[in-house]
Amino acid sequence: EVQLVQSGAEVKKPGESLKISCKGSGYSFTNYWIGWVRQMPGKGLEWVGIIYPGDSNTRYSPSFQGQVTISADKSISTAYLQWSSLKASDTAMYYCARQRVAADYWGQGTLVTVSS
Amino acid sequence: DIQMTQSPSTLSASVGDRVTITCRASQSISSWLAWYQQKPGKAPNLLIYEASSLESGVPSRFSARGSGTEFTLTISSLQPDDFAAYYCQQYNSYPYTFGQGTKLEIK
Repeated sequence: EVQLVQSGAEVKKPGESLKISCKGSGYSFTNYWIGWVRQMPGKGLEWVGIIYPGDSNTRYSPSFQGQVTISADKSISTAYLQWSSLKASDTAMYYCARQRVAADYWGQGTLVTVSS
Repeated sequence: DIQMTQSPSTLSASVGDRVTITCRASQSISSWLAWYQQKPGKAPNLLIYEASSLESGVPSRFSARGSGTEFTLTISSLQPDDFAAYYCQQYNSYPYTFGQGTKLEIK
């Protein structure tokens, strides 16, 4: 069974760093792209970026380029989304999703709350 | 970036109704379009890929068509479980953009 399991909710202060994770199982992790999607409270879905764990090829939305870093460790079938300096506006639910043709399997989401 | 525009933003309908949601792309995306359903507090769920292919396990009352810049998602006979938000997404070129969403609510 394909599963993507994300790390738990985080509460951080502005300026702090954070790395959230997405662990894949039940399929060949290195053969599918993994994407990240943001959903701010009460709002729609925004595409953040995507990584191919096989060779760490990464693409970002211009809206998120330079604001986040996407990485992967194929040895433990895990993708990451990280921030070096969080802002209050980063408060959102973040989803990872496996990209077959479209995003066919999704993680349960990680809620990131940034508040002083 | 390719802009995706959905209409309507909100749709009020009753159980048994036939409803259609439209998604327009700012440039041609061939058939590289997906539709997702999202219920409150849950991750999105893939319904349709490649504009008209039904994902495994999705009820056949969902159908979709289109190519190029204009696409539609139709639910033939609304069931109580279908009241949710729906999003289109293009995956023709990076960044893979979403429409703003359509909230399907009970009339």
